[in-house]
Amino acid sequence: DAKTTQPNSMESNEEEPVHLPCNHSTISGTDYIHWYRQLPSQGPEYVIHGLTSNVNNRMASLAIAEDRKSSTLILHRATLRDAAVYYCILRGPFGGAGSYQLTFGKGTKLSVIP
Amino acid sequence: NAGVTQTPKFQVLKTGQSMTLQCAQDMNHNSMYWYRQDPGMGLRLIYYSASEGTTDKGEVPNGYNVSRLNKREFSLRLESAAPSQTSVYFCASRQAGGLQQPQHFGDGTRLSIL
Repeated sequence: DAKTTQPNSMESNEEEPVHLPCNHSTISGTDYIHWYRQLPSQGPEYVIHGLTSNVNNRMASLAIAEDRKSSTLILHRATLRDAAVYYCILRGPFGGAGSYQLTFGKGTKLSVIP
Repeated sequence: NAGVTQTPKFQVLKTGQSMTLQCAQDMNHNSMYWYRQDPGMGLRLIYYSASEGTTDKGEVPNGYNVSRLNKREFSLRLESAAPSQTSVYFCASRQAGGLQQPQHFGDGTRLSIL
């Protein structure tokens, strides 16, 4: 499986935008890029996913580099509730035992400063 | 909007005791999953059920059994608990329609084995 690399931790001031980077230099042409986050003492929560084009939803935006070797999750206005561990995960398109799981790395721990 | 419900939320066991963790989802999802998360680590897949009536091993199945009781419920059983199984256990579900559909997680069961 292609691997992702994320910074261990980041800080942001409340109400400012946050850009969370993810490197995936060995991504294949058919891998989707997914982001999940995990708030303290909760299960992971889906945030967004994309393949090639930038994507927006009510929670965040996903900016994907033209060569797809990196991506950035953008929180437009950080709130205290956004303090969480953010995971960047690659997902292939096909079935088979290994593809059913989400492979979580250590993610980026985001702290939001009031 | 219950989503994925896990019971119990906390449990302490003695080595050698048995226990069943319960998971139920009310989203009519076909696929269900059991993960464990050890301190400071990402989630690892224990077992999954791609559809009602089927179960398969994930990355770390040893010491566990599962039952897909019906479409809603997927239970995880520890037959003889060991201290190495101290962890937080998360259940997740996913609707049909391709592997890019997001997984929805419960809030976890925190299990300590003495």
